[in-house]
Amino acid sequence: AQSVTQLDSQVPVFEEAPVELRCNYSSSVSVYLFWYVQYPNQGLQLLLKYLSGSTLVKGINGFEAEFNKSQTSFHLRKPSVHISDTAEYFCAVSDGAGNNRKLIWGLGTSLAVNP
Amino acid sequence: DAGVIQSPRHEVTEMGQEVTLRCKPISGHNSLFWYRQTMMRGLELLIYFNNNVPIDDSGMPEDRFSAKMPNASFSTLKIQPSEPRDSAVYFCASSFNLVWDTEAFFGQGTRLTVV
Repeated sequence: AQSVTQLDSQVPVFEEAPVELRCNYSSSVSVYLFWYVQYPNQGLQLLLKYLSGSTLVKGINGFEAEFNKSQTSFHLRKPSVHISDTAEYFCAVSDGAGNNRKLIWGLGTSLAVNP
Repeated sequence: DAGVIQSPRHEVTEMGQEVTLRCKPISGHNSLFWYRQTMMRGLELLIYFNNNVPIDDSGMPEDRFSAKMPNASFSTLKIQPSEPRDSAVYFCASSFNLVWDTEAFFGQGTRLTVV
């Protein structure tokens, strides 16, 4: 069965520093990949997604992610973070076919941006 | 559109009581998802509906949990009887068609505490 591993549960970083949040998944067959963000006391919202095509995907708020099939990874990056980026970030993978397709979620990475 | 609307935002109840969580999806969306979020297990899909029909309820933890979608604009998740281990944040999400390659829009969640 598909699984998603977010390698870091917490990432502290200073404002304006670059950040990478790591995500690995277990199967590379016909997957769709997503990053969602959850601000405090809010629901999740989509940052970006990879369905096909270019392996570098750009999302909202200056975030981007790169799909690496050989390493089964989909790491999220931002060159310069802001205090407002403090949130929980979730990686999700969709695999299967038809009604058997499901979203599998990582446990999340808590990004804390400090001044 | 006001987005996905969940009620109540917070619920505190005693063990053994019935709890009903409510969700109004975004108008025009035909897929609805119920998730449970805890620190230990992360985000778990409980059940999802497509065109008001339950497609997969394999994530529902046990018979104490039930969900209905009587029409396209309303869904409920019921726990009867509730137990302390049901304490979590419950999210409802909706999307146009199944979420495997499209964005899921989340409500702000219901924080349930069973004492």
